[in-house]
Amino acid sequence: RKEVEQDPGPFNVPEGATVAFNCTYSNSASQSFFWYRQDCRKEPKLLMSVYSSGNEDGRFTAQLNRASQYISLLIRDSKLSDSATYLCAVDFYFGNEKLTFGTGTRLTIIP
Amino acid sequence: EAGVTQFPSHSVIEKGQTVTLRCDPISGHDNLYWYRRVMGKEIKFLLHFVKESKQDESGMPNNRFLAERTGGTYSTLKVQPAELEDSGVYFCASSQGASGSYEQYFGPGTRLTVT
Repeated sequence: RKEVEQDPGPFNVPEGATVAFNCTYSNSASQSFFWYRQDCRKEPKLLMSVYSSGNEDGRFTAQLNRASQYISLLIRDSKLSDSATYLCAVDFYFGNEKLTFGTGTRLTIIP
Repeated sequence: EAGVTQFPSHSVIEKGQTVTLRCDPISGHDNLYWYRRVMGKEIKFLLHFVKESKQDESGMPNNRFLAERTGGTYSTLKVQPAELEDSGVYFCASSQGASGSYEQYFGPGTRLTVT
């Protein structure tokens, strides 16, 4: 079993819709969780950090479920510019440690 | 504030040659990380510096890879001699460390092709 797993997609979603995807992790002691966005042939850009039960930033909401060992990302009112690959990353220890990445979920917003 | 920078952006070398990649972290960031993405696979950790010290090099594939961070500023990653399986995108990331945020910010990457 992979340490961090994501549904690779692709998710093809009409503009304005709400989309959500999950990321499961195997290490129950994991402390820090992140969502990155990666555009084609670009670097991962930090989208959100998820340190406790979850957080919200505009149209984006990240949630953490420790009991079931997954984090989720919800995008409301999706825009064409949201099309990208969304990477889940887990830090198994708190701070300053290596990130373990999932393979990413590819999202395409359709006009 | 300038982000993480990496040089070169692309490198094409022949098997057996040597390549050196450079990473300049965000100014003031004590932590510097190297990651690699091989085509079709997830991004994988290579190693982690705290200032000039190697904190964790558990992800380094073998002794053909040598990373340095002299003076705790920029870092280099040398591959010698390069093999075909070393092809991929090498990302560098940095974070503030204990004095601030643990969030890691990535550079644009170096795309290495070994032929």
